[in-house]
Amino acid sequence: AQSVTQLGSHVSVSEGALVLLRCNYSSSVPPYLFWYVQYPNQGLQLLLKYTTGATLVKGINGFEAEFKKSETSFHLTKPSAHMSDAAEYFCAVIGGGSYIPTFGRGTSLIVHP
Amino acid sequence: NAGVTQTPKFRILKIGQSMTLQCAQDMNHNYMYWYRQDPGMGLKLIYYSVGAGITDKGEVPNGYNVSRSTTEDFPLRLELAAPSQTSVYFCASRREGQGNQPQHFGDGTRLSIL
Repeated sequence: AQSVTQLGSHVSVSEGALVLLRCNYSSSVPPYLFWYVQYPNQGLQLLLKYTTGATLVKGINGFEAEFKKSETSFHLTKPSAHMSDAAEYFCAVIGGGSYIPTFGRGTSLIVHP
Repeated sequence: NAGVTQTPKFRILKIGQSMTLQCAQDMNHNYMYWYRQDPGMGLKLIYYSVGAGITDKGEVPNGYNVSRSTTEDFPLRLELAAPSQTSVYFCASRREGQGNQPQHFGDGTRLSIL
């Protein structure tokens, strides 16, 4: 069984400020973890993923995430927010051998000028 | 490379009508999925398929049907449309593997039932 919790349905930051979007997961087997971004009126796009190896994963558009097994977390960060980062962000987990990823409910990132 | 293509992009249906949402992918992916997305509720899995001729129910299959006659196509059928089926529908595909392959999503079909 697997589940994903994204803390905060909305996160608001000022342009240039740190972005931190939280994701905690549970999985009965070693997980693969993903962050997706959804811009208005578009489908989800892969931002980054953790499979094996280095626990700090770098993605597109300056985002990165760190896999912390002891905390069962995979938080997404970006040092300096840009207006173009305003979007919905989804964390997803899938256990090895499973067909079906489990998605969090999503976090809407709002960026103020 | 087109990726995952969904048609139509928008549709308005009357209660009781039927329609088919089309999904095609050109990446030769075995795994395909249909989701619905409602505001604040994330993605809910309707049906999925692990290859041509093989389909299975997801979390919310009632009122929907699917077929998978080819690797490329995975249409979703709504029979007797109801207002509760007003939503945005996304199709996704994924390469077969150990779970480390990401999903590729289409741009969605926005469906209103009136």
